[in-house]
Amino acid sequence: KAGVTQTPRYLIKTRGQQVTLSCSPISGHRSVSWYQQTPGQGLQFLFEYFSETQRNKGNFPGRFSGRQFSNSRSEMNVSTLELGDSALYLCASSSGGWNTGELFFGEGSRLTVL
Amino acid sequence: DQQVKQNSPSLSVQEGRISILNCDYTNSMFDYFLWYKKYPAEGPTFLISISSIKDKNEDGRFTVFLNKSAKHLSLHIVPSQPGDSAVYFCAASDYNNAGNMLTFGGGTRLMVKP
Repeated sequence: KAGVTQTPRYLIKTRGQQVTLSCSPISGHRSVSWYQQTPGQGLQFLFEYFSETQRNKGNFPGRFSGRQFSNSRSEMNVSTLELGDSALYLCASSSGGWNTGELFFGEGSRLTVL
Repeated sequence: DQQVKQNSPSLSVQEGRISILNCDYTNSMFDYFLWYKKYPAEGPTFLISISSIKDKNEDGRFTVFLNKSAKHLSLHIVPSQPGDSAVYFCAASDYNNAGNMLTFGGGTRLMVKP
């Protein structure tokens, strides 16, 4: 079956703009998580959605937000972009069980902020 | 404060030899640990996991060891193959935390030389 799909794969924005990233999970998966990857920092958890509800939230400012739709697709939005927001944003889906741990990641959306 | 640390940013090993990747954690609430592998331009893929009730888990060439008293885990790859060259991320979760939220280390780049 199809994997996790993220769009767009690459994008360039300027400081102050806002961006919306999209994620389509594996069919049947109800949990979608978002992670930010920057050099040397590993993957940092942004938030997780399950059945359209935010179930967990990481330690990121309010400029980072997300939502999940009834078909489990998810979007994340970053407003008032800063240079430090340049990163690879990874979406991961899972069946939604209680901390099953095994996540299926998409290829990511690489954001460059100029 | 990084709760999961991979102190070696890179590791080079000869083909056929053992690769040992290390990971330390500080949060005593973590009770489930995972290793992910990431190739360039791809999302991370799940490799192997271990619950805190075990001290070893084996899957083919991959073995993960957990030392809870030292808050340390390691991934052993025997024998190492050139196709194992990738970035390896250690991750941890707190089973009592609702949902799927993983805390990742910064990653170790493994290079297996033919």
